[in-house]
Amino acid sequence: EVQLVESGGGLVQPGGSLRLSCAASGFTFSSYWMHWVRQAPGKGLVWVSRINSDGSSTYYADSVKGRFTISRDNAKNTLYLQMNSLRAEDTAVYYCARQKYGGGGFDIWGQGAMVSVSS
Amino acid sequence: QSVLTQPPSASGTPGQRVSISCSGSSSNIGSNTVNWYQQLPGTAPKLLIYSNNQRPSGVPDRFSGSKSGTSASLAISGLQSEDEADYYCAVWDDSLNGPVFGGGTKLTVL
Repeated sequence: EVQLVESGGGLVQPGGSLRLSCAASGFTFSSYWMHWVRQAPGKGLVWVSRINSDGSSTYYADSVKGRFTISRDNAKNTLYLQMNSLRAEDTAVYYCARQKYGGGGFDIWGQGAMVSVSS
Repeated sequence: QSVLTQPPSASGTPGQRVSISCSGSSSNIGSNTVNWYQQLPGTAPKLLIYSNNQRPSGVPDRFSGSKSGTSASLAISGLQSEDEADYYCAVWDDSLNGPVFGGGTKLTVL
């Protein structure tokens, strides 16, 4: 079965750090661009970051640039999001998502990991 | 405030046809293809329509998408209670190197 499973969410104080992981299975992980998308409580979807298939190219939304780092380990079929200097406004469910081969949207999503930033 | 504008809510009765709009500009919808996602309560989003009007395998043909100029539309025919969900349009933003999402439309089946 093709699936993505996130882990690593939790409660962290403002200014703290957290690393999310997204384990892929059922497909050739190293062939796909991968993304992180977040959703604050009761709000809409917001793109966070993307990484190309071999990890050589990364992009970020302005709101997280300089604080978050996306990476991947193709040998472990795992995507990561290192989040530093966390703020209250980073509180959200974080989804990893696979970009459809050749473009055309995100066809596989993880179940989401909740990140709460609060003192 | 998203760069893609969707109505916050829509509603219909079982069997009815409903349409959800997504309005953008020449720099987003006008120059790239549109995707639609369905998010059922408490679950992750699901790709519903890609490349303006293509359905992934397993998506019923009751769902259809279209695009004209700087606007796109999702239509659902034969509305069913299980269609009650949030619907989001999205389009690739070349300057962002990522997608932008609409604000979402909450569909209620009366």
